Amino acid sequence: AQSVTQLDSQVPVFEEAPVELRCNYSSSVSVYLFWYVQYPNQGLQLLLKYLSGSTLVKGINGFEAEFNKSQTSFHLRKPSVHISDTAEYFCAVSFTSGTYKYIFGTGTRLKVLA
Amino acid sequence: DAGVTQSPTHLIKTRGQQVTLRCSPKSGHDTVSWYQQALGQGPQFIFQYYEEEERQRGNFPDRFSGHQFPNYSSELNVNALLLGDSALYLCASRDRETQYFGPGTRLLVL
Repeated sequence: AQSVTQLDSQVPVFEEAPVELRCNYSSSVSVYLFWYVQYPNQGLQLLLKYLSGSTLVKGINGFEAEFNKSQTSFHLRKPSVHISDTAEYFCAVSFTSGTYKYIFGTGTRLKVLA
Repeated sequence: DAGVTQSPTHLIKTRGQQVTLRCSPKSGHDTVSWYQQALGQGPQFIFQYYEEEERQRGNFPDRFSGHQFPNYSSELNVNALLLGDSALYLCASRDRETQYFGPGTRLLVL
C-alpha cells in the first residue's frame, strides 16, 4: 500500500531564509509525485509535479523539489521565502496508471516570520 | 478559462440530515474526484467518477454516494450526517495524471 509521510507538522522560518519541507513516500510500484499549497480557507493549488525524467523539478513561486528514488523522498525547497509563502503544504503520490487517485500526507504548515 | 467550481461554499446541517454538494470540472476535463479534508489533516479520497460511473472508491461508508451528469459535473451526497462528517469537501477534475482542485465546500454538522 502507498503512504506519504510529512515529518514536520510546522516549520517556522524567517523571511528571506531558505526552507526545505520534507516528504517521504512508501510504494511497491512506480508513482507520480506532487506538491500542493493551501492558503487559509482555500482549495489546493498545484506547485509542481514529478512524472518522469529530470529528478529536479521547478514549480511556481520559486519552489523546486528533487525526486530521490533510493531514499523515496520528494523534498520541497525554496532559497528565499516571503511572508506570502505562509500556508499549508501537502505532498501527494499517485499510481502511474488507473484512476490516478492521490494519497496525501498530513501537511506541513510553513510560517514565515518577519 | 474557469477552473473547478464548487457550491455552496459553506453549509451548516444537523445530525441525521442529508446534504448534496456540487462540482463543475475544468473545461475539457471528464473525470471528477471527491476528497474529504478534516481539520488539520490531508485530504482523503472518497471516490472518482468517469463516464457517469463510479470508477474507484476510498474507505468511506455507503452513506457517501455520488453522481456524474452528462456534462461531467458531479454531486456528492451524504446521508444520515454525523458530527464527524464536518470537514472541507474538495472536488478535483483530472487532466491525465494531474488533478486540479476547486475551492471546496466547508460542511459543519451540529
